[in-house]
Amino acid sequence: AQTVTQSQPEMSVQEAETVTLSCTYDTSENNYYLFWYKQPPSRQMILVIRQEAYKQQNATENRFSVNFQKAAKSFSLKISDSQLGDTAMYFCAFMKYNTGNQFYFGTGTSLTVIP
Amino acid sequence: DTEVTQTPKHLVMGMTNKKSLKCEQHMGHRAMYWYKQKAKKPPELMFVYSYEKLSINESVPSRFSPECPNSSLLNLHLHALQPEDSALYLCASSQDSGKIYGYTFGSGTRLTVV
Repeated sequence: AQTVTQSQPEMSVQEAETVTLSCTYDTSENNYYLFWYKQPPSRQMILVIRQEAYKQQNATENRFSVNFQKAAKSFSLKISDSQLGDTAMYFCAFMKYNTGNQFYFGTGTSLTVIP
Repeated sequence: DTEVTQTPKHLVMGMTNKKSLKCEQHMGHRAMYWYKQKAKKPPELMFVYSYEKLSINESVPSRFSPECPNSSLLNLHLHALQPEDSALYLCASSQDSGKIYGYTFGSGTRLTVV
């Protein structure tokens, strides 16, 4: 079974500062996909960034980047130059390579950006 | 059109009522999903439709009945619900299994069972 752990239930950051959200996972799979989704008060889940386990290079999307450590089974999200619109619940998620079709979500981290 | 549209946004129903949630997408996605989300919890998968056929049912009680009339539309029929079924119901869609591009989620239906 796959498990995803987010050990920080709540975090806050000053506007324009940098924050890192942690995520660890447990799997016996060698190939898989990892995702970060954000869910603002509008409720819609929005894909932030995605990483393929067989790629060593860390994914980046504008102000968002990940630190993927496959051996340690760690997948942290760094948000640079935090903006008020980044206030949201952030979920780390795992998907198997072969089957897909099902996310294993972490418990989420509630991030508040303080003006 | 890059959206998943869910209606209604809010729904209050009694335990003896029958209601339906609707989800629509026009992105050509061939997989569609229903998730249930309780407050401050991650979404929990309920059903997966792939090419209009039910491929995954996560042991959901029969008072929830999914239906996929065509590749753009997904319904969730509700009957004899319990107060503990109150939650946010999210619909999502994806190209194939969602491995490459993830899912596109709707904004959900907030359901309250009284």
